[in-house]
Amino acid sequence: ETGVTQSPTHLIKTRGQQVTLRCSSQSGHNTVSWYQQALGQGPQFIFQYYREEENGRGNFPPRFSGLQFPNYSSELNVNALELDDSALYLCASSQLGGYEQFFGPGTRLTVL
Amino acid sequence: QQPVQSPQAVILREGEDAVINCSSSKALYSVHWYRQKHGEAPVFLMILLKGGEQKGHEKISASFNEKKQQSSLYLTASQLSYSGTYFCGTPQKEYGNKLVFGAGTILRVKS
Repeated sequence: ETGVTQSPTHLIKTRGQQVTLRCSSQSGHNTVSWYQQALGQGPQFIFQYYREEENGRGNFPPRFSGLQFPNYSSELNVNALELDDSALYLCASSQLGGYEQFFGPGTRLTVL
Repeated sequence: QQPVQSPQAVILREGEDAVINCSSSKALYSVHWYRQKHGEAPVFLMILLKGGEQKGHEKISASFNEKKQQSSLYLTASQLSYSGTYFCGTPQKEYGNKLVFGAGTILRVKS
């Protein structure tokens, strides 16, 4: 059973740029959630995708957008990067309605 | 609204016990507990459901007081492997019942 994978591991961008982060779900999972984790904080829910549609969104601006593909992999896109976007971005896969989420190792984004 | 965890940090010696608390200002229907070791992804520990049902992988006990809108995680006879940051998460209606996590409790077990 393949776990959740994310790429890239680390990324450095400058303010105003755009970034795309990628996530491959665990085999058999149809739902992907994205979280932003600032240093010393808990993961903050960005949004969830199920069957390629957004299925719930947290308190994040529209410049945070996502996609889910037919193979259940997913992308998180962030436009017009701001310094406060620097964080660890985690994706988690699950079965819709399932209670356990399986997190990937995360992508560390630094915005300069 | 983010659940509140206490304490923020705790240091134990192997074999000692600890309690981590999670409280919410809103009615709780379930509480989810995860542990994140340094530099690693969060890992599911257990879920406590309204009515008393619990589901989890590890031999960790927890309580869920629906009236007080609180949950507590009990770590007994702690081992070095228990070290990490513990997060509780509660479903938020505003986000389509997706989890909102607390700020975490750092647990360090020393030999």
